[in-house]
Amino acid sequence: DAKTTQPPSMDCAEGRAANLPCNHSTISGNEYVYWYRQIHSQGPQYIIHGLKNNETNEMASLIITEDRKSSTLILPHATLRDTAVYYCIVSGDMRFGAGTRLTVKP
Amino acid sequence: NAGVTQTPKFQVLKTGQSMTLQCAQDMNHEYMSWYRQDPGMGLRLIHYSVGAGITDQGEVPNGYNVSRSTTEDFPLRLLSAAPSQTSVYFCASSYDRGPYNEQFFGPGTRLTVL
Repeated sequence: DAKTTQPPSMDCAEGRAANLPCNHSTISGNEYVYWYRQIHSQGPQYIIHGLKNNETNEMASLIITEDRKSSTLILPHATLRDTAVYYCIVSGDMRFGAGTRLTVKP
Repeated sequence: NAGVTQTPKFQVLKTGQSMTLQCAQDMNHEYMSWYRQDPGMGLRLIHYSVGAGITDQGEVPNGYNVSRSTTEDFPLRLLSAAPSQTSVYFCASSYDRGPYNEQFFGPGTRLTVL
């Protein structure tokens, strides 16, 4: 099994922030947390990654807890095009779980 | 850069047939991998390679062979196709398998085995 656990599905209203949680309680000290998303049946797309500090890029923000056992991906202003399956993975593991299916509703 | 390319996009096989799924990348990435994705499921790692001449098994290697003779190419061979191998196959590459390993994925090959 993958080293991460995520809720199977979430809904979010268009224009609101989407907060997607991920648990990775067995993460090792040098392993990064990566987030990808998969729209329809396309290949997964990289979003963001982090080690222990919070990270932000043009797509999203990543908040990692101080003990590194969990993280949250934040899409600050979700749009309909953000509807996708979001995967949280640990760099040393390379395994994708089932992810979280985010549905952004108008 | 073309990124990661996969051929064919679609394929239908009969049980027992063999075929090779092609994957190529032009980013000079050392690490390449193959995943399969069944309907409604996440991606499962089949095989991976950390460089030319080096391959290893992932979670679900049975029924598949790989080789890595060049940095650019990482073909996946189905030796004797079975209906259970009906799936979407994704190839991915990254700079290496170290901590910093953002993966780039191809568009996928949709395989149906009758």
